[in-house]
Amino acid sequence: KQEVTQIPAALSVPEGENLVLNCSFTDSAIYNLQWFRQDPGKGLTSLLLIQSSQREQTSGRLNASLDKSSGRSTLYIAASQPGDSATYLCAVPFTGGGNKLTFGTGTQLKVEL
Amino acid sequence: DGGITQSPKYLFRKEGQNVTLSCEQNLNHDAMYWYRQDPGQGLRLIYYSQIVNDFQKGDIAEGYSVSREKKESFPLTVTSAQKNPTAFYLCASMGMVAGGNYEQFFGPGTRLTVL
Repeated sequence: KQEVTQIPAALSVPEGENLVLNCSFTDSAIYNLQWFRQDPGKGLTSLLLIQSSQREQTSGRLNASLDKSSGRSTLYIAASQPGDSATYLCAVPFTGGGNKLTFGTGTQLKVEL
Repeated sequence: DGGITQSPKYLFRKEGQNVTLSCEQNLNHDAMYWYRQDPGQGLRLIYYSQIVNDFQKGDIAEGYSVSREKKESFPLTVTSAQKNPTAFYLCASMGMVAGGNYEQFFGPGTRLTVL
């Protein structure tokens, strides 16, 4: 059974700092990995989808990397801003099929002035 | 404006009542999903549907029911059999994006509180 872990569960950093969020998964037979952002009381917003054939995917100040062999993905946020404060979740396709996703429990990020 | 809408945003239920949460999408996606989110926990899949008139149970289907009569609609009923229904409910759909990948998109959520 696929298990997805995100460490740390919470992170507080000063504005301007570069930071890395981690996502680990136990079954490396995935074809993509998706990073989401969730603001309090809101739905999830897709940030990046990285295919298994890619090593990196970039969108603005965000960069996601994927290492299938080690079962890890990282989300790099450059020059963090208070507006980046949110919970970040990663998700991988369910290995049992059915077009489902298995989600991590998320990292709650707070960027302070 | 393409997207997923959920209504209502907040819902209050008395014990013993059934309530129905609405989810509508105009993205022309075949697959739709219902998740439950509790504080400090990840998303748990309640039900999903890959095509009209078909749906499957997820990990925590007990006490819930769904229907999929139209492609754009996937309502969730929380029945009185659900013992702890207070939670945040998220609806999602999945469709193909550039590059041939399937990506999941979410609605804004409904917060259900049992009084």
